[in-house]
Amino acid sequence: DTGVSQDPRHKITKRGQNVTFRCDPISEHNRLYWYRQTLGQGPEFLTYFQNEAQLEKSRLLSDRFSAERPKGSFSTLEIQHTEQGDSAMYLCASSYGTARQETQYFGPGTRLLVL
Amino acid sequence: DAKTTQPPSMDCAEGRAANLPCNHSTISGNEYVYWYRQIHSQGPQYIIHGLKNNETNEMASLIITEDRKSSTLILPHATLRDTAVYYCIVRVATSSGSARQLTFGSGTQLTVLP
Repeated sequence: DTGVSQDPRHKITKRGQNVTFRCDPISEHNRLYWYRQTLGQGPEFLTYFQNEAQLEKSRLLSDRFSAERPKGSFSTLEIQHTEQGDSAMYLCASSYGTARQETQYFGPGTRLLVL
Repeated sequence: DAKTTQPPSMDCAEGRAANLPCNHSTISGNEYVYWYRQIHSQGPQYIIHGLKNNETNEMASLIITEDRKSSTLILPHATLRDTAVYYCIVRVATSSGSARQLTFGSGTQLTVLP
């Protein structure tokens, strides 16, 4: 399978713990996005990388959230001191191509539950 | 990005065409219309996108009105597996490094009935 992969698929943690999610984009896709989706809502943008550079961050990305893409391939999203409000599906998407032809392909998501 | 308006839910009989409408009356000339769908508990799946011409691929057809203020996604022969939330998204095409994210609304819950 050559699609976007995310790990883990599910994570249950206790409030105050740190969690880290991984996203492996489609090979050779230079752009990578993180979104968050809460129950009953559409996905909301969190942050965007072009190669290894983090070019945009949403105001939703508080100081407890950090994302990296060290070699321009896979990316990690870390949440420190988790809160119950962080419970959501975290989605990763990757893309390539010109702005006119760009299509984002999503992974299956990581579902986080903070107890 | 321009705002979109979609009906919250629609039903369609299996084997019939599903026509999903979307209004985007404030769309500007450099904004594309994208359609994604999300089957329960899965990541969104890209369906199709277009600027002003009608588009067709193996999944669906996209019909954009001449004034570009609305569009319709057509699934020609809906199956039970097409039951999903369908999102219509308008996004500006820019060569800059910013403003590339997709802004999702609430979408339309399409239920295909046997």
